[in-house]
Amino acid sequence: DGGITQSPKYLFRKEGQNVTLSCEQNLNHDAMYWYRQDPGQGLRLIYYSQIVNDFQKGDIAEGYSVSREKKESFPLTVTSAQKNPTAFYLCASSIKWGTGELFFGEGSRLTVL
Amino acid sequence: EDQVTQSPEALRLQEGESSSLNCSYTVSGLRGLFWYRQDPGKGPEFLFTLYSAGEEKEKERLKATLTKKESFLHITAPKPEDSATYLCAVPNTGGFKTIFGAGTRLFVKA
Repeated sequence: DGGITQSPKYLFRKEGQNVTLSCEQNLNHDAMYWYRQDPGQGLRLIYYSQIVNDFQKGDIAEGYSVSREKKESFPLTVTSAQKNPTAFYLCASSIKWGTGELFFGEGSRLTVL
Repeated sequence: EDQVTQSPEALRLQEGESSSLNCSYTVSGLRGLFWYRQDPGKGPEFLFTLYSAGEEKEKERLKATLTKKESFLHITAPKPEDSATYLCAVPNTGGFKTIFGAGTRLFVKA
């Protein structure tokens, strides 16, 4: 079945550590996105990629980094510079950037100890 | 400023008690309005896309409608399995990113 796979589902981080969240899609979509979801707030865009080897900052990119070396993969690194990283992280894709509906993964919940 | 506002924040219904969720938006040149369903601890799941005022889409007990300023998600005779958070989203003016509302949490009691 085609879809988006995020891992790990749960992740705990100590202060000062970098962690990387994995996102893989087999939908052959060009565009991929990372969102952060906090209770009572809408999804906020961290980074997006229109096409392989290209990515752009979203609204809350500070303290995060991404890469897009393969069409299928768009990993997100939460660095120690992110002051409040505890959140639910969602990866999504769409056929083309800026068009159509988004397909989401199951999410990764990051907790800072 | 581009904005999406959903109301109410939470809605508690008895099984079979029909109601509506609201999504109001302020963007120029609407390029579509999207409804998603999100279960606790899961990613959102796409429900509907609406493109023009007057358009309606239906799926089981759900019907989405669109006007020039807002969209409604009507839930007819809901069941407990309809309990979820319903998210509304629109592309921003310029269409280069999607803006999400904070969602409406729906609880349906048997």
